[in-house]
Amino acid sequence: GAVVSQHPSRVICKSGTSVKIECRSLDFQATTMFWYRQFPKQSLMLMATSNEGSKATYEQGVEKDKFLINHASLTLSTLTVTSAHPEDSSFYICSARSRAREQYFGPGTRLTVT
Amino acid sequence: DAKTTQPTSMDCAEGRAANLPCNHSTISGNEYVYWYRQIHSQGPQYIIHGLKNNETNEMASLIITEDRKSSTLILPHATLRDTAVYYCIVRGNAGGTSYGKLTFGQGTILTVHP
Repeated sequence: GAVVSQHPSRVICKSGTSVKIECRSLDFQATTMFWYRQFPKQSLMLMATSNEGSKATYEQGVEKDKFLINHASLTLSTLTVTSAHPEDSSFYICSARSRAREQYFGPGTRLTVT
Repeated sequence: DAKTTQPTSMDCAEGRAANLPCNHSTISGNEYVYWYRQIHSQGPQYIIHGLKNNETNEMASLIITEDRKSSTLILPHATLRDTAVYYCIVRGNAGGTSYGKLTFGQGTILTVHP
């Protein structure tokens, strides 16, 4: 299957700081990328969808000013959690898809806000 | 997107076939059935998908009933590494506003034991 990478795999930050998570499609060009969040013992929740070169579309209840998404190229999307708080601690997972491929997921980033 | 219903958990003996059911009685004509799995603390892994016909790949087989209201994922020879949460997802058809969105339910926790 296709390979999607995320960096970092784990990050610990202090409350009030911002954290950037990178998502890369390594062997295909992703026209669409998705960002999910998963709290312990819960399922994945879609946060936003982004198409290359366009503004992201956020799901209801997700603050677009807090979770900044940039999809500047066909192989890279970034999620920046601004002014992070302990309740933002979660497992963040990106996903990428091209027109010719199914949707593949990255390994996830564990964010802990202290 | 159509909602899916899966059993909360299932057990399977190593080496035996694991049959995971999924109900999607409200599926519409152009919606596909997708299966993903998530091993603990990892991103979801694509398994298989289908529209009407039964499908088979190197990982699993997908059996879809004639009325398309339910399906079964079959892992022919389960191993301990197949222990994971298995998600059955119905995805919107191309061109619709929900195209590309994978909405995860609670899935089935499959435990393969020796």
